[in-house]
Amino acid sequence: DAKTTQPTSMDCAEGRAANLPCNHSTISGNEYVYWYRQIHSQGPQYIIHGLKNNETNEMASLIITEDRKSSTLILPHATLRDTAVYYCIVRVPHRDDKIIFGKGTRLHILP
Amino acid sequence: EAQVTQNPRYLITVTGKKLTVTCSQNMNHEYMSWYRQDPGLGLRQIYYSMNVEVTDKGDVPEGYKVSRKEKRNFPLILESPSPNQTSLYFCASSSAVGYGYTFGSGTRLTVV
Repeated sequence: DAKTTQPTSMDCAEGRAANLPCNHSTISGNEYVYWYRQIHSQGPQYIIHGLKNNETNEMASLIITEDRKSSTLILPHATLRDTAVYYCIVRVPHRDDKIIFGKGTRLHILP
Repeated sequence: EAQVTQNPRYLITVTGKKLTVTCSQNMNHEYMSWYRQDPGLGLRQIYYSMNVEVTDKGDVPEGYKVSRKEKRNFPLILESPSPNQTSLYFCASSSAVGYGYTFGSGTRLTVV
């Protein structure tokens, strides 16, 4: 079973910030939080990852709570091209690579 | 261009006829992995490899084989395909430093 819980779907108006939550209440100290997205039937695309500090790159920001039990992916100015399924996973790098994807959040960007 | 290349993109085959889906990456990544994706079941890991000659089972390995003789290649072998292996397959690779996986474009397999 996936170690993360995400809402099934969300809507966001084009041009607004999309905030996608993820719960990972059983995360262990050496597990990172990773976010991917999948547009239609294309291969999933890596977005961002973090351990405990907030992270930002050209695609998104990742906010991890102090207790690390949840996180939020922020797409600052959503466009129609951001319509996709977003997956939050937890993973320990350098150990085994058994990665479990959950069902993800289907994000609809509304024009 | 850094990429993961899968072939073929589409394949229709008959039950029992052995097939291989190739996967190659040009990023010198240590980690490689195969997933299948089915409606309502999401992405499920079939096999993964953490380096040459090192492979291990994911969640749904039954009916599949893999090999990792070279760092860049990680073929997925179906010795005797069955209709329940009809699916969308993705190969992915990652460096050992823990950055995200790069996925291929997918192989849509139909077994009749």
